[in-house]
Amino acid sequence: DAMVIQNPRYQVTQFGKPVTLSCSQTLNHNVMYWYQQKSSQAPKLLFHYYDKDFNNEADTPDNFQSRRPNTSFCFLDIRSPGLGDAAMYLCATSRAPPIDQPQHFGDGTRLSIL
Amino acid sequence: ILNVEQSPQSLHVQEGDSTNFTCSFPSSNFYALHWYRWETAKSPEALFVMTLNGDEKKKGRISATLNTKEGYSYLYIKGSQPEDSATYLCAPRRNNDMRFGAGTRLTVKP
Repeated sequence: DAMVIQNPRYQVTQFGKPVTLSCSQTLNHNVMYWYQQKSSQAPKLLFHYYDKDFNNEADTPDNFQSRRPNTSFCFLDIRSPGLGDAAMYLCATSRAPPIDQPQHFGDGTRLSIL
Repeated sequence: ILNVEQSPQSLHVQEGDSTNFTCSFPSSNFYALHWYRWETAKSPEALFVMTLNGDEKKKGRISATLNTKEGYSYLYIKGSQPEDSATYLCAPRRNNDMRFGAGTRLTVKP
């Protein structure tokens, strides 16, 4: 089945040690999103790609970067993880235009910081 | 800022009960309203995308209504089953800004 795949499912890293989370999709969707969700809170959009165009949310910390080398893959890089970055990270895709199109989510990566 | 309120935060019902919960959002510049179901250890799954005032959508025992003039949407579940236990998230879109609510966590007891 076509889907959105996130790896790994669980990631543990050390305080300050760079970490990369990955997302791939077989849906051929133009738009890819990264969300951060902390316990019992609303998923918070960090940034999204519309094709190759990168759209950063105004309140996303500089510590968070993203790369989209091709349509299928998108990466979330956290340059110097702090304890406050422990969260569930969700990747999602949608068809273009994004308006009125449902988002298709991966299972998420739960990030822990030691 | 697009403030989204979902109520209640959590809900416990018995199998067979019907239930409903609310998503509230600013009515100005409304574009669309998404509902998602997020079961534990799974990915969020799209339920509905609604755009027009007065829209009603249905999927099995789940239905939703939309009032864009007053800024709210209701999600209804008829005859709840244990498999309906999940967090239900709404996400209104206003222009290019889409925000998720914190969700309503539903637990259906057998």
